[in-house]
Amino acid sequence: TQLLEQSPQFLSIQEGENLTVYCNSSSVFSSLQWYRQEPGEGPVLLVTVVTGGEVKKLKRLTFQFGDARKDSSLHITAAQPGDTGLYLCAGAQSPVIPVRFGAGTRLTVKP
Amino acid sequence: DAGVIQSPRHEVTEMGQEVTLRCKPISGHNSLFWYRQTMMRGLELLIYFNNNVPIDDSGMPEDRFSAKMPNASFSTLKIQPSEPRDSAVYFCASSYAGLNTGELFFGEGSRLTVL
Repeated sequence: TQLLEQSPQFLSIQEGENLTVYCNSSSVFSSLQWYRQEPGEGPVLLVTVVTGGEVKKLKRLTFQFGDARKDSSLHITAAQPGDTGLYLCAGAQSPVIPVRFGAGTRLTVKP
Repeated sequence: DAGVIQSPRHEVTEMGQEVTLRCKPISGHNSLFWYRQTMMRGLELLIYFNNNVPIDDSGMPEDRFSAKMPNASFSTLKIQPSEPRDSAVYFCASSYAGLNTGELFFGEGSRLTVL
């Protein structure tokens, strides 16, 4: 059983469409991160959220941390082929307990 | 600045052979993590070190797996003897534990194939 459940597992959309992926847990996290991983590479951090209800924007990506700090969402506006990749959420329950990852959402954006 | 450096990038070996994976963390980082990634199980935490000391190895699958961190700039993950089910991409990541956000910086991974 994953500590963090991500949905959907797979998502294939056309360029220009919007999408939202979700990361849910029954546990409370002190911080939650979103990473993107491309084939043959390690995950790369996109954003960290630490405050319940926090919203962060990174160009066309909007990240939200749930009020109770148990869940998060990632919304991409006007997706582009360069957004293709595996999106992973990861939670840390304290500074001394390491980050655990969800299974990821594999996004494909078709031109 | 150099990121996390892992070697080898690819290794193909036969069942029963010893495999050693290497990692050089980012200078100044005091926490190091070994993860394993497969399609079936995703990214699993195997072990992590803080200030070169192993803190939690509960993710290490079996006694065949061992990890060491003899100094702040080097760590190894060893599998002996290797089995086909160990085939995966093994990632090393480092972070600075002084931050309370758990941000990780990953290497490019070592892809292991055990025949």
